[in-house]
Amino acid sequence: LAKTTQPISMDSYEGQEVNITCSHNNIATNDYITWYQQFPSQGPRFIIQGYKTKVTNEVASLFIPADRKSSTLSLPRVSLSDTAVYYCLVGPKAAGNKLTFGGGTRVLVKP
Amino acid sequence: EPEVTQTPSHQVTQMGQEVILRCVPISNHLYFYWYRQILGQKVEFLVSFYNNEISEKSEIFDDQFSVERPDGSNFTLKIRSTKLEDSAMYFCASSMGLVSYDEQFFGPGTRLTVL
Repeated sequence: LAKTTQPISMDSYEGQEVNITCSHNNIATNDYITWYQQFPSQGPRFIIQGYKTKVTNEVASLFIPADRKSSTLSLPRVSLSDTAVYYCLVGPKAAGNKLTFGGGTRVLVKP
Repeated sequence: EPEVTQTPSHQVTQMGQEVILRCVPISNHLYFYWYRQILGQKVEFLVSFYNNEISEKSEIFDDQFSVERPDGSNFTLKIRSTKLEDSAMYFCASSMGLVSYDEQFFGPGTRLTVL
């Protein structure tokens, strides 16, 4: 399983863009990159998934360079409610696969 | 929007007692999971369940743990003889079993406190 490394914490202010970079140097060819979000005292929640280049949805964008050894989650114009822990996960697409969480990045959005 | 529900939200028990944590997964989902998160630590996988049997379990999921789907809607985690170190938030999750991407939907968790 590819190991992931991401910053422990980041501070931001309302209205700013937050970019969280995750390193996954030994990502396998069939691995996908997935990000989950966890609010305090809640279960994790899927945000976005990608394999290469750029993926965008209504919540975030995910940028993956050609070598796929890292990825960047971009949260546009954050609000206070985006304060959460963000987890980068790497693994193959398959039904019923367990999720392996790292330490995540604690993002604090200040007013 | 369908969601995973868990009961109770908080359970306090004495060391050595048995506890049962309950979950109602999303109704058309096929895979069910339990994870736990000790305070201040990362979310850890315990077990996955499919077609009425365990499909994968972690080293944490030893003989004191068991899972069951007693009827068509509930999914339970039993801890036979609780230890202090079992104190954690326990999350149930479920997924449809899609090959394209099998997004897991998590419940709000049960906070287990072992005294």
